[in-house]
Amino acid sequence: EAGVTQFPSHSVIEKGQTVTLRCDPISGHDNLYWYRRVMGKEIKFLLHFVKESKQDESGMPNNRFLAERTGGTYSTLKVQPAELEDSGVYFCASSYYNEQFFGPGTRLTVL
Amino acid sequence: RKEVEQDPGPFNVPEGATVAFNCTYSNSASQSFFWYRQDCRKEPKLLMSVYSSGNEDGRFTAQLNRASQYISLLIRDSKLSDSATYLCVEDLGTDKLIFGTGTRLQVFP
Repeated sequence: EAGVTQFPSHSVIEKGQTVTLRCDPISGHDNLYWYRRVMGKEIKFLLHFVKESKQDESGMPNNRFLAERTGGTYSTLKVQPAELEDSGVYFCASSYYNEQFFGPGTRLTVL
Repeated sequence: RKEVEQDPGPFNVPEGATVAFNCTYSNSASQSFFWYRQDCRKEPKLLMSVYSSGNEDGRFTAQLNRASQYISLLIRDSKLSDSATYLCVEDLGTDKLIFGTGTRLQVFP
């Protein structure tokens, strides 16, 4: 069974540009989560989808971040415009019931 | 104060040794606890859940002490392949995982 996949694996952009990260959850998982780890810090929750609805977006840093999950399948996380402090590793996770399975992450570098 | 506190390490131990990590949490309302393992530049993977009664999975034993608000992980007979970062994680009951910064373990021959 395929795990959680994320695209791209790395992204290097300049401050002020836009980047869109994609996450494909494990098939059949209604729950989808985004997390972020910035350098030297712990992994932090960003938001949680149940199917296509945002269940909890309390961790979203500001309105430069927009997450969508059209049709309750894959999800995108757009950062517009990107700032230097947005650099880090963005993880996506999905779950059916309890255990959250993480994807390999997208390493974002903002120059 | 961080919600989940861990000693970052590194813990350097020889093969075959027993090593223990502790983690403290600040929210007494926390519902569930987990230990995740993260290899360098990889994603976190669930190692085991932690229950008040304690639970064991092979060489790994996890314990939860609600009165003192700490969680422990014991690894017996350490293998080289156990080298990784161990993340202490809590769930307040909302599916929102709260991570510690992790404890790095290096097992040497």
